[in-house]
Amino acid sequence: NAGVTQTPKFRILKIGQSMTLQCTQDMNHNYMYWYRQDPGMGLKLIYYSVGAGITDKGEVPNGYNVSRSTTEDFPLRLELAAPSQTSVYFCASSNQLSTEAFFGQGTRLTVV
Amino acid sequence: GESVGLHLPTLSVQEGDNSIINCAYSNSASDYFIWYKQESGKGPQFIIDIRSNMDKRQGQRVTVLLNKTVKHLSLQIAATQPGDSAVYFCAENRGGNNRKLIWGLGTSLAVNP
Repeated sequence: NAGVTQTPKFRILKIGQSMTLQCTQDMNHNYMYWYRQDPGMGLKLIYYSVGAGITDKGEVPNGYNVSRSTTEDFPLRLELAAPSQTSVYFCASSNQLSTEAFFGQGTRLTVV
Repeated sequence: GESVGLHLPTLSVQEGDNSIINCAYSNSASDYFIWYKQESGKGPQFIIDIRSNMDKRQGQRVTVLLNKTVKHLSLQIAATQPGDSAVYFCAENRGGNNRKLIWGLGTSLAVNP
């Protein structure tokens, strides 16, 4: 199993540009999450989804959007990139029977 | 407990010693707590969880203790190995079934050979 796969691994954006961070999982998990991690800090929840067609805001949703059209995919959209969105982004998934979440390798995003 | 700012708390131990990593939490209503390990350049990896109705839980070489009176959580690693070098995060679940975790700052564990 591939687990949770994120693409791209690295990206540099200019202020005002937009992009989509891709996340896919092959474990048939209902729950999926997007986190951001700033240097030396813990993770902060951006958005989460408890199943296809259902999404909800986390702690820091401003400047981001998500969709969940399938169980496998949970893309994160940045519409107008700002320097404050420079961070490492992690996607994760879990099933409803376990507290364990499985994380992707992360996307390192720099906005200049 | 957890510190605020850009500098992670750091714990340095000798290989073979036991390590104790501490975490303070704030919400009495959190129903479970999780410890994650994050190696450099990787995503976090689940270590162990504990429900709020438990005081202690053991895994392979790890023990988590929960003291609800002082809202304190600790992770004990027995016979620490170089492969245990990583940043360790505690997280509390405040979102019930939605699994909305609140993460602590993290503690960097350095194991000296």
